[in-house]
Amino acid sequence: EAQVTQNPRYLITVTGKKLTVTCSQNMNHEYMSWYRQDPGLGLRQIYYSMNVEVTDKGDVPEGYKVSRKEKRNFPLILESPSPNQTSLYFCASSPILYPGQNSPLHFGNGTRLTVT
Amino acid sequence: SQQGEEDPQALSIQEGENATMNCSYKTSINNLQWYRQNSGRGLVHLILIRSNEREKHSGRLRVTLDTSKKSSSLLITASRAADTASYFCATDFTGGGNKLTFGTGTQLKVEL
Repeated sequence: EAQVTQNPRYLITVTGKKLTVTCSQNMNHEYMSWYRQDPGLGLRQIYYSMNVEVTDKGDVPEGYKVSRKEKRNFPLILESPSPNQTSLYFCASSPILYPGQNSPLHFGNGTRLTVT
Repeated sequence: SQQGEEDPQALSIQEGENATMNCSYKTSINNLQWYRQNSGRGLVHLILIRSNEREKHSGRLRVTLDTSKKSSSLLITASRAADTASYFCATDFTGGGNKLTFGTGTQLKVEL
């Protein structure tokens, strides 16, 4: 089954304790992205990647890191989490069908992170 | 600032009625996409309409795009309780790089 898999589904941690949220897709998509969703703010892009070893900042990259060593995986790293990073996080992927245009995204089921 | 703004923020209708949601944006686009999100779950792509298209259909969904008014609408006909969800428009705006910009969504509730 074609899917984007995020883990964990729920995570509660304390300020400053490094954590990684994993994301994997089995559709051979070039493009992967991380979003956070907060009430009243919609989805905001954190980082994205056009292909292996190519990553770029989205709208809200501060406090996050990513890596794209393999095409299927795109982990999100919080080196020193803070309470304002409490949010619902989504990983998404898509093929690059048309240069310069965004294709439909396939989303994971989300990771609900709480930082105390 | 966010590119797409949905209207209304919330909509409650009876099963069988039609639901219309609107999305306005500010700059020129390559395409506009609509997504559905069931509570707390990942978003699901519904339909993509390109800037040179005016209308698209998919099952009970009808999307229109008016680039002169910088607006789009999503119509769900003969709604069902299972259509209860949040609906988001996402714009791929020209020169915006490789990202979709999402609005804050419309919460649709379809009551039996």
